[in-house]
Amino acid sequence: ETGVTQSPTHLIKTRGQQVTLRCSSQSGHNTVSWYQQALGQGPQFIFQYYREEENGRGNFPPRFSGLQFPNYSSELNVNALELDDSALYLCASSAPRAYNEQFFGPGTRLTVL
Amino acid sequence: QQQVKQSPQSLIVQKGGISIINCAYENTAFDYFPWYQQFPGKGPALLIAIRPDVSEKKEGRFTISFNKSAKQFSLHIMDSQPGDSATYFCAASKTQGAQKLVFGQGTRLTINP
Repeated sequence: ETGVTQSPTHLIKTRGQQVTLRCSSQSGHNTVSWYQQALGQGPQFIFQYYREEENGRGNFPPRFSGLQFPNYSSELNVNALELDDSALYLCASSAPRAYNEQFFGPGTRLTVL
Repeated sequence: QQQVKQSPQSLIVQKGGISIINCAYENTAFDYFPWYQQFPGKGPALLIAIRPDVSEKKEGRFTISFNKSAKQFSLHIMDSQPGDSATYFCAASKTQGAQKLVFGQGTRLTINP
């Protein structure tokens, strides 16, 4: 059974650019959540996707957007990057009726210069 | 608003000792409380979780104690080993609606050999 995978591992962008991060959910999992983890902090919920639709959103501006595809993989897009967007971006997947058991991928480390 | 408060921020324990990390939550609608372990450069890994219908759950050397009236829960690591050295996060969520995990600030645990 393959776990949650994310790509790329690391990414460096400059302020104002746009970035797309990718996530493949664990086999059998149909829900994907994205989190932002700043250095030395706990992860913060960005949004969740279920059946290709956004199913809840945290306190993040609209320039953070996402997609979920029919195979349950997902993308996180961030427009107009700001220095404060530098963080580890984590994707987590969960199975149907799994009562919030979320399994995280290794993350994408984004640096904005 | 910080909905989950975690303490201590850092903890040093001797090999073989008991590590104890505490969390307090505010939202009484939370009904799922997991603990995650995170090593440097990795995503959080689900360790153990509890629901409020029980006061304690044990899995191997890891135990969660839950006090619903005090809105507190804690992680106990028995016979702590150097390999347990990592950052630990408590989290809380509601099982209805979006599966949004609200994380504590994390505890950096060091087990001295």
